[in-house]
Amino acid sequence: DTGVSQDPRHKITKRGQNVTFRCDPISEHNRLYWYRQTLGQGPEFLTYFQNEAQLEKSRLLSDRFSAERPKGSFSTLEIQRTEQGDSAMYLCASSSGTFSYEQYFGPGTRLTVT
Amino acid sequence: DAKTTQPPSMDCAEGRAANLPCNHSTISGNEYVYWYRQIHSQGPQYIIHGLKNNETNEMASLIITEDRKSSTLILPHATLRDTAVYYCIVRVAPLNTDKLIFGTGTRLQVFP
Repeated sequence: DTGVSQDPRHKITKRGQNVTFRCDPISEHNRLYWYRQTLGQGPEFLTYFQNEAQLEKSRLLSDRFSAERPKGSFSTLEIQRTEQGDSAMYLCASSSGTFSYEQYFGPGTRLTVT
Repeated sequence: DAKTTQPPSMDCAEGRAANLPCNHSTISGNEYVYWYRQIHSQGPQYIIHGLKNNETNEMASLIITEDRKSSTLILPHATLRDTAVYYCIVRVAPLNTDKLIFGTGTRLQVFP
C-alpha cells in the first residue's frame, strides 16, 4: 500500500454513460497525476495538478474527459459519453517537492465499457 | 525526453541475479535514468534512479555506462515476487511537470 487510494477499483458501464473516478493522494503531496494504461502497454500520461491548478493536459485527454482537484486534495476524473475505447486502467499518482524522483501510484481503477 | 529500448521479456531463476538492460543512446547530459516496475494488477512502483554514477538501494543496483548510452538494473537475488514488468525511463529534471513517459518495458519472469 503506497498511501494513494483510488475508488472504485472496478467499474463496468455501458457505452454512452458518464463515469467518475476518485483519487486520494498522500496527504502532504502537492502534485497529482492521472495516467491511463491499456492492455500490454505502459501507462500513458493524461494530466497533472500542482495543488488545485491543472498545469498540463495530454492530447489523449479529449473534451469528454475532465479532471478536477478542488482545494488541492483529492482529485476526480470524469469521462462523459463513454466509448469502448475508453476501457483501460486509470492510474493516479502523487509526489512532493520541486523535483521529485518518485511518484507513488495508486492501485488503479479498471474501467470496462460494454 | 530520450527514447529507451528494452527487451520485451526475460527469465531468471529464483535466487540468481536478474540483469535488465536498457538502451538510451540519445540521452542528454541533464537527463536521469529511472526504473519503475509494475507487478500484475498493481500500480507502478519506483525502484531507483541515477544520473551518471552507479547507484544502489535496498531494492536494486543501477549501473550506467560511462558514455551513458545504456544502463542495467540488477536485482541481486531475484525472488518470485520480483516477477513484474520493468520500465526504464529517461527524463530531464523538470521545470514544471515531471510526468513519466513509459515504454512497453521488460516482462521479467522469475521461476523456481
